[in-house]
Amino acid sequence: EIVLTQSPDFQSVTPKEKVTITCRASQSIGSSLHWYQQKPDQSPKLLIKYASQSFSGVPSRFSGSGSGTDFTLTINSLEAEDAATYYCHQSSSLPFSFGPGTKVDIK
Amino acid sequence: QVQLVESGGGVVQPGGSLRLSCAASGFTFSSYGMHWVRQAPGKGLEWVAFIRYDGSNKYYADSVKGRFTISRDNSKNTLYLQMNSLRAEDTAVYYCAKDGYGSGSYVHYWGQGTLVTVSS
Repeated sequence: EIVLTQSPDFQSVTPKEKVTITCRASQSIGSSLHWYQQKPDQSPKLLIKYASQSFSGVPSRFSGSGSGTDFTLTINSLEAEDAATYYCHQSSSLPFSFGPGTKVDIK
Repeated sequence: QVQLVESGGGVVQPGGSLRLSCAASGFTFSSYGMHWVRQAPGKGLEWVAFIRYDGSNKYYADSVKGRFTISRDNSKNTLYLQMNSLRAEDTAVYYCAKDGYGSGSYVHYWGQGTLVTVSS
């Protein structure tokens, strides 16, 4: 079973600041790593698929990188509407799994 | 546009059963794999189960294996989750979710979720 860890658990950020969230897999998963955003009282939404492919309609300030075991979600120039919890998810092998989440708060 | 509407949630006693349904529209349901993902109150996302586009293969998290059964009716564009021997730790919002492909990949779209509460 592949375990995903995320860091940090929580980040308080000023608007226009750059945010970097990392996701580490317990074994190599190639590029089968995806990122989601969940705002309070909403369902999650897909941001990035296969490590670096932006989903249609996602603002260009969101980007992803990495392969193997180490992945990064970057939010360039954070906006107030980006306050949310961000989750990584692996589809490399069953059982599929999610990371524990990173909560991003706006100062 | 893609719509996923879950139903069937509610309050059930420990040891009881519940069946969730998910009505899908806005895409060719029979061409895509489907997931159930849950979220306990105040907690993170937990993948529960996946079924291939044609129902030929089904996969489960260890935490629900042997108790939950995922199924689909492609003629009705509907996904199901039969939950038996429910425990307090199964209390969560259950999301129906469309896969990006047929055989298991990213979660493309999510429903609004249905709350299951296991309590005496």
